[in-house]
Amino acid sequence: HSALTQPTSVSGSPGQSITISCTGTNSDVGGYNYVSWYQQHPGKAPKLVIYDVDNRPSGISGRFSGSKSGNTASLTISGLRAEDEADYYCSSYRSGDTVIFGGGTKLTVL
Amino acid sequence: QVQLVESGGGLVQPGRSLRLSCAASGFTFSNYAFHWVRQAPGKGLEWVAVISYGATNKYYADAVKGRFTISRDNSKNKVFLQMNSLRAEDTAVYYCARVADEGVYYGSGSYLQYWGQGTLVTVSS
Repeated sequence: HSALTQPTSVSGSPGQSITISCTGTNSDVGGYNYVSWYQQHPGKAPKLVIYDVDNRPSGISGRFSGSKSGNTASLTISGLRAEDEADYYCSSYRSGDTVIFGGGTKLTVL
Repeated sequence: QVQLVESGGGLVQPGRSLRLSCAASGFTFSNYAFHWVRQAPGKGLEWVAVISYGATNKYYADAVKGRFTISRDNSKNKVFLQMNSLRAEDTAVYYCARVADEGVYYGSGSYLQYWGQGTLVTVSS
């Protein structure tokens, strides 16, 4: 099974907003509201930033938001800051009680 | 606080075996499901396996099915990943992760809320 499709890279200037897309199929993203997003800085473990499509864990800035339409989920980061520069991965529950990740997106803050 | 510490990684020859451990603390271990997720050098995250809180349910990625076995010891607060017939493409940092909610391993509350720091497995002759 191939990974969910994410853009390889996105960039934005401080203060701007960016959106990262995550495209799957009816068997994962489109079929369930169990999409989560993880932020990973170099050499560090992934950190949960969005769960169940559009929910933020405690302690995560309101600048992070999630949404979904059909087979595509999206992560939006508003008011970009230097510390947002990281790799971002989407993940979804997939039928058969498995999990699938996206290929990852490198966010560069210019 | 929740803490997950992986161990057991190292250099291993192709075809050999390795057993990873994940020691958990800071919560009621037996109530939660766990996943193993790996990341090859310079690559993205790849889901490996999940085990339910009672070990009744176990699921694997196609890439490791038949070679890897996930298990747990609720008396020792540990999760394991037995890796057999290792291949060069299994080289990766292996992360242990705990789901958010008690009693679930899929669906609502099954997202990966806590992660360990990972242990590196290198398969090479």
